[in-house]
Amino acid sequence: GDSVTQMEGPVTLSEEAFLTINCTYTATGYPSLFWYVQYPGEGLQLLLKATKADDKGSNKGFEATYRKETTSFHLEKGSVQVSDSAVYFCALRDPFGNEKLTFGTGTRLTIIP
Amino acid sequence: EAGVAQSPRYKIIEKRQSVAFWCNPISGHATLYWYQQILGQGPKLLIQFQNNGVVDDSQLPKDRFSAERLKGVDSTLKIQPAKLEDSAVYLCASSLGGGRNTEAFFGQGTRLTVV
Repeated sequence: GDSVTQMEGPVTLSEEAFLTINCTYTATGYPSLFWYVQYPGEGLQLLLKATKADDKGSNKGFEATYRKETTSFHLEKGSVQVSDSAVYFCALRDPFGNEKLTFGTGTRLTIIP
Repeated sequence: EAGVAQSPRYKIIEKRQSVAFWCNPISGHATLYWYQQILGQGPKLLIQFQNNGVVDDSQLPKDRFSAERLKGVDSTLKIQPAKLEDSAVYLCASSLGGGRNTEAFFGQGTRLTVV
C-alpha cells in the first residue's frame, strides 16, 4: 500500500540556517504530495502541495519539488525563523483512491535564536 | 469562513469507560474524515464519509469504535469501551470532495487520555 517515509527528528537549527526535511514515498500511479505543518496547540495546516511530476509547491518561503524519478518531495527553506518551530508532516493522496491522506511520522523542528 | 470545529479539546477517562467526540465540518464540505494521531506518529485515517455514507472504514476498530454522520453534516466518533492504547489526538477534517485537488482542512483535535 501507499506509504510515506520522513526524515527522523527532532531537528534543531539556529535562526537563518538552511532547512531540509527529507520525504520519500511509495505509491502506485502518480499521487498528489503535500506538506502539512502543526504549530504548538494548533491543528494541521496545509503548507504546500504539488500534484504532478516536477511541480514545485511553495509557501511562506518553504519549497518542495515533486521528483518522480526519486519518489521524493523534500521540504526546504533558505533561512528559517524562530516562528517556523513546529512539526512538519509529509503526506500523499492517491489519485485513484478515495482522497484519503497518508501521512509520514512527522519531523519536529526547533529553531533557536 | 469558519473552520472545522471539534469538541471537547481535552478528555481524560478511565479504561473501559465510553467517550464521544463531535465534529462540525466547514459548511458545504461533502467529505469528512476522522484521523487518529498517536504521540510520535503521523495521523492515521479511521473513517471517511462522503455526505452521510461511509467511503472507507478499513482502519476503524469496529469492535469498540463507531462513527456516524447524520444528515451529512456533523459527525460523532465514539469509543466504547476505551483502552489505554486509545490515548491519542483525534482529528476531524473536511474537504469539498470530488477530486484530487480538494484541500482537506483540519480541526484542532481532541486529545484523549485513557488512564
